[in-house]
Amino acid sequence: TQLLEQSPQFLSIQEGENLTVYCNSSSVFSSLQWYRQEPGEGPVLLVTVVTGGEVKKLKRLTFQFGDARKDSSLHITAAQPGDTGLYLCAGEPSGTYKYIFGTGTRLKVLA
Amino acid sequence: DSGVTQTPKHLITATGQRVTLRCSPRSGDLSVYWYQQSLDQGLQFLIQYYNGEERAKGNILERFSAQQFPDLHSELNLSSLELGDSALYFCASSVDLLAGNEQFFGPGTRLTVL
Repeated sequence: TQLLEQSPQFLSIQEGENLTVYCNSSSVFSSLQWYRQEPGEGPVLLVTVVTGGEVKKLKRLTFQFGDARKDSSLHITAAQPGDTGLYLCAGEPSGTYKYIFGTGTRLKVLA
Repeated sequence: DSGVTQTPKHLITATGQRVTLRCSPRSGDLSVYWYQQSLDQGLQFLIQYYNGEERAKGNILERFSAQQFPDLHSELNLSSLELGDSALYFCASSVDLLAGNEQFFGPGTRLTVL
């Protein structure tokens, strides 16, 4: 079974702090997506990483794809209460034709 | 607004019943995905259709079925409903198989089985 393990599972931090969320697998992915989900709503796509070692920045969010394309990380600088939500990595392990989501990281940023 | 629409938004029904959830993908998207999200299971991939054909199956029960019509909208049919089928059901769409699988999600249908 292909899994995408995310850590930490829960994170509660103060406004202005930095944080990193990790997404790990034993499978190789041709690309990985990161989504953010608010309660009761569908996930919203944040970014896609495609090339091993790729780094993408989206304002205060920095996404990195591992060199071997088996893992990814999301770093948030100076977190704000508006960053609160469920962060999900997702992708299709090469050759499986099955899109899977990570276990999720629930982030709460306190004002 | 992702451009993906789902109806109905809420559905309350009884055990043993059958329901149909409907999804309209974003204009131009050929792929439709169905997901189930419950509190204890996270977001689970059910099935994917591409241009009317089934492309991939995930953890979809035999009591569930789906199809994608020529106009590309999709329906997910859930039958012989059980209490454990209560969940949020999401539909997502993407342009094609080579688009990095970037998916755009609808607002979901909350199914409650009593």
